[in-house]
Amino acid sequence: GQQVMQIPQYQHVQEGEDFTTYCNSSTTLSNIQWYKQRPGGHPVFLIQLVKSGEVKKQKRLTFQFGEAKKNSSLHITATQTTDVGTYFCAGRTSGGSNYKLTFGKGTLLTVNP
Amino acid sequence: KAGVTQTPRYLIKTRGQQVTLSCSPISGHRSVSWYQQTPGQGLQFLFEYFSETQRNKGNFPGRFSGRQFSNSRSEMNVSTLELGDSALYLCASSLRLDSSYGYTFGSGTRLTVV
Repeated sequence: GQQVMQIPQYQHVQEGEDFTTYCNSSTTLSNIQWYKQRPGGHPVFLIQLVKSGEVKKQKRLTFQFGEAKKNSSLHITATQTTDVGTYFCAGRTSGGSNYKLTFGKGTLLTVNP
Repeated sequence: KAGVTQTPRYLIKTRGQQVTLSCSPISGHRSVSWYQQTPGQGLQFLFEYFSETQRNKGNFPGRFSGRQFSNSRSEMNVSTLELGDSALYLCASSLRLDSSYGYTFGSGTRLTVV
């Protein structure tokens, strides 16, 4: 079945440093979504990428979707303590009625003030 | 508008018992998905309902079941509970079956099986 791998599993940074998490799928994706889960909270939708090579920005966050639509990345510039949490990617394959999202295991980001 | 509401928030059950969890999606959302979240396995897909029909099912044993009502509210049931069923169960609703506007998750039900 479809697998979505995410690395690294953990990342600890000093406040102000950059952070990147990578997501790789075993199959071509129709779209990929990113979520953030704060400690003790629930996942919150950040963004969806659909087009090959797409790049979207949200303030200090930059999301990319690979040309082959099998990988994606989330980059945070100049991290802040409010960025702490687990970042999940979730990929969806196309075709038929199989719309389920497959989540990566997430990258836990901790930020040292 | 109100978010996704899951009840109860916490639950402690004994092995062998059964449990029913409830999820009320955002008004107008007809798609409801259920996920099991554990520290080791991350978010594991259980099933998805749309217009009262199960559209997708994950790789969980038949002890896990669900349903969706005409008002889009959903329930999931776990029978013959095992210690390994201890987890955070998250419900997510979306406007469309392909969740092209993203999922909105509830706060979850923390199930502990003792």
